[in-house]
Amino acid sequence: DTEVTQTPKHLVMGMTNKKSLKCEQHMGHRAMYWYKQKAKKPPELMFVYSYEKLSINESVPSRFSPECPNSSLLNLHLHALQPEDSALYLCASSPSDRGRDEQYFGPGTRLTVT
Amino acid sequence: AQSVTQLDSQVPVFEEAPVELRCNYSSSVSVYLFWYVQYPNQGLQLLLKYLSGSTLVKGINGFEAEFNKSQTSFHLRKPSVHISDTAEYFCAVSVPGGGDMRFGAGTRLTVKP
Repeated sequence: DTEVTQTPKHLVMGMTNKKSLKCEQHMGHRAMYWYKQKAKKPPELMFVYSYEKLSINESVPSRFSPECPNSSLLNLHLHALQPEDSALYLCASSPSDRGRDEQYFGPGTRLTVT
Repeated sequence: AQSVTQLDSQVPVFEEAPVELRCNYSSSVSVYLFWYVQYPNQGLQLLLKYLSGSTLVKGINGFEAEFNKSQTSFHLRKPSVHISDTAEYFCAVSVPGGGDMRFGAGTRLTVKP
């Protein structure tokens, strides 16, 4: 199984809502990533988890809160988002975070903040 | 920190023509280089990667890329494109021990009949 799954596929939320994005992989990968991608732009790294510990936080606003409950799951908790946070949120995983490993991407969650 | 520059934002070509998508990198240490493809409303898929060794790397779907250290480039090529190759292509770079992969701005390849 070389698949990274993400749920939901689409999410519309108001600025006062709390929601969560979920990502799952069963490849035994020990590094997992969250990216934000705006239309016609490259993915921007948000967070990196290595062996279930947060290793990189790219100065992301606190309204985004990542969580890695176990080695197969990665969540992104959303609270009090702004309309400019509307984007495609991509999850990825790799065997390690040592740089030489390719990342496997999920299909993304299309988030719209109203 | 490492970075990549994709020199062309859009590349239109006719079906069965050859294509080259250009990528230059910048880093003070050795690098790992990747090309990913993204079809509409999908995640990214790896085409090929360069870690070390042979500078000519072959990937999926008939793509290949050549690592050129003196010119700090990693251009992607295909000798004959198909309509189905229409997509966004991203060059990416990482460094040994680094968990942060950096992507170029992307090149939109449009293959016309």
